[in-house]
Order: sequence, then structure tokens, then C-alpha cells
Amino acid sequence: KAGVTQTPRYLIKTRGQQVTLSCSPISGHRSVSWYQQTPGQGLQFLFEYFSETQRNKGNFPGRFSGRQFSNSRSEMNVSTLELGDSALYLCASSLADGGEQYFGPGTRLTVT
Amino acid sequence: AQSVTQLGSHVSVSEGALVLLRCNYSSSVPPYLFWYVQYPNQGLQLLLKYTTGATLVKGINGFEAEFKKSETSFHLTKPSAHMSDAAEYFCAVSLTNFGNEKLTFGTGTRLTIIP
Repeated sequence: KAGVTQTPRYLIKTRGQQVTLSCSPISGHRSVSWYQQTPGQGLQFLFEYFSETQRNKGNFPGRFSGRQFSNSRSEMNVSTLELGDSALYLCASSLADGGEQYFGPGTRLTVT
Repeated sequence: AQSVTQLGSHVSVSEGALVLLRCNYSSSVPPYLFWYVQYPNQGLQLLLKYTTGATLVKGINGFEAEFKKSETSFHLTKPSAHMSDAAEYFCAVSLTNFGNEKLTFGTGTRLTIIP
């Protein structure tokens, strides 16, 4: 069974631009979560989607948004990029409530 | 609310020695507990998890962890370190409420293996 895939793997953007990251969960998984990993703040929860609905949201500004499609694939968008948005963005999928989360390899975003 | 504390941001052990990575948690409801490993430039891989039942949990690559409710701890151990164990390890907690998939992570422990 294929794992969680994330595209692109690497991305370089300029301050003020916007970016869209994509995540394809493991087949059959309906929950998709997004995390931001930085050296200073560590791993922080962004949001979680289940059946196309956002169920949980972390403490991030409104510039960070996401959505989930009917096939469970998810995208996250960051608008008006700031230097501090440079990070590894990880997507995770899970089969059921409380089930273990399987992580993708991440998208490394660099904002210059 | 829940939180995780990992004692020691860097741990070094000799090859063949015991590995002990410490994790303490706080949670308002009975937690699910996890240990993940991250190799350079990769995502997170689940080592083991505790949900309910037996408090000693065995995972992949020879790792195990024991859930101690009275000490609010979930320390990770491996009897004999191998060079391939060098990586960063994260302890995480999630709530057992249905519909709550949020993982709260500790700050991580970087494990170095000395030949």
C-alpha cells in the first residue's frame, strides 16, 4: 500500500507570495492533519480535516488555510508569505478516530 | 489540554549500550501516547504507541516503552544501541476523545551513537 505522498518536496518562494502544498493520504484514510516543523518552535499542529470538514485548528494566523477533497486529498495554502514561514510542512493521515497517524516526507518551504 | 516534556535535547550513547529517552506528559483525559523517529530530511516514522491495555509496549527496531500513569511517563528504551539508531526522536500525546486527531509533540531528543 502506498504511503502518504506530499508535493512538491522542496519549494522556494519570495516574501509576499502565496503557496499551495498538496498531500495524498494512504488509500482509505479519511483524516488528514498538517504540521509545521521549525528549529525554533518544533512540531506544531496546523489543522485537521475529516470528510472534507475542518475538525481541529491550531494557533496559526488566518494566512494559513486548508481544504480536503472528496477523495481525501488535502491542500494547504499560505498567503502573504513571511520569512518565518520557512519550515518543513508535514502531512499525516489516519484511518479512524484515535488511530495512529502516518506521516509523509514533508515539503520543505524556504521563503526568501 | 495536553503537553509533553522530553528531558534532554541531546543524548549520546555508545554502540551496544542501553538507550533511554525520557518523556513525561500531562493530559486532562486518558491519553494516547506515541514515539516517532525522524531521520534527516525525512518525515516521521511511528516507533510504537500506547492506547489501552498492556502498559509495556514493544515497537519496531527493538524499541519499547512503558506507560506509567502514576509518574505520567512514557520513557523509550532499547537494550543495545546500533549505529542506525542515530536520529531524532519525538514523544507525542493525543486525546482519546473521538474526533480529536491533534498530536502534541515534545521538543525532540537527538540521539547520537558513539562507535
